[in-house]
Amino acid sequence: GESVGLHLPTLSVQEGDNSIINCAYSNSASDYFIWYKQESGKGPQFIIDIRSNMDKRQGQRVTVLLNKTVKHLSLQIAATQPGDSAVYFCAETPGTASKLTFGTGTRLQVTL
Amino acid sequence: DTEVTQTPKHLVMGMTNKKSLKCEQHMGHRAMYWYKQKAKKPPELMFVYSYEKLSINESVPSRFSPECPNSSLLNLHLHALQPEDSALYLCASSHPTGSQYFGPGTRLLVL
Repeated sequence: GESVGLHLPTLSVQEGDNSIINCAYSNSASDYFIWYKQESGKGPQFIIDIRSNMDKRQGQRVTVLLNKTVKHLSLQIAATQPGDSAVYFCAETPGTASKLTFGTGTRLQVTL
Repeated sequence: DTEVTQTPKHLVMGMTNKKSLKCEQHMGHRAMYWYKQKAKKPPELMFVYSYEKLSINESVPSRFSPECPNSSLLNLHLHALQPEDSALYLCASSHPTGSQYFGPGTRLLVL
């Protein structure tokens, strides 16, 4: 769960396309998996979460998929908009007032 | 209401100053957190309070002193900080079992 380096992976998508952001996690004991969106100069904004007993959860324009077999989490954003441009972090936690372990983050750039 | 508020938004302080960061939530959450975030990196946990008691201290230097006066408020007292402590300080809250919601952060610059 430690971040490495200063260079964020970047995903560029055209406005209106679907975006898929991927994340690998390490702790099999994690119970909650969360996606956050962070815009420049702001705090992380909760997008959607999923518990370990689920493999898919949908929100408004977003879907989170959880594959516990390969410890993989993904965030799908439908019809990506310019306002979706931000850094996206996945995070995992045992869920009991405990530490969030963050992924390194992915920068999403939406082109017109 | 999923809002966590933090004051001040920006803070500049010298290495001999004493200042405090404040955080407030009215979601009925009984767990509150302080994180530190450096540029282009994920947030790093500093402290966790659960039911107003300190439950996790991630080996944070004593120049950072947290305080939880009640279930809605969380403070971080700062004293004799170093320039490398300059960062975005984030407060978060959650139910004892559940996802954490973050405030907008306080951007701290130590001169």
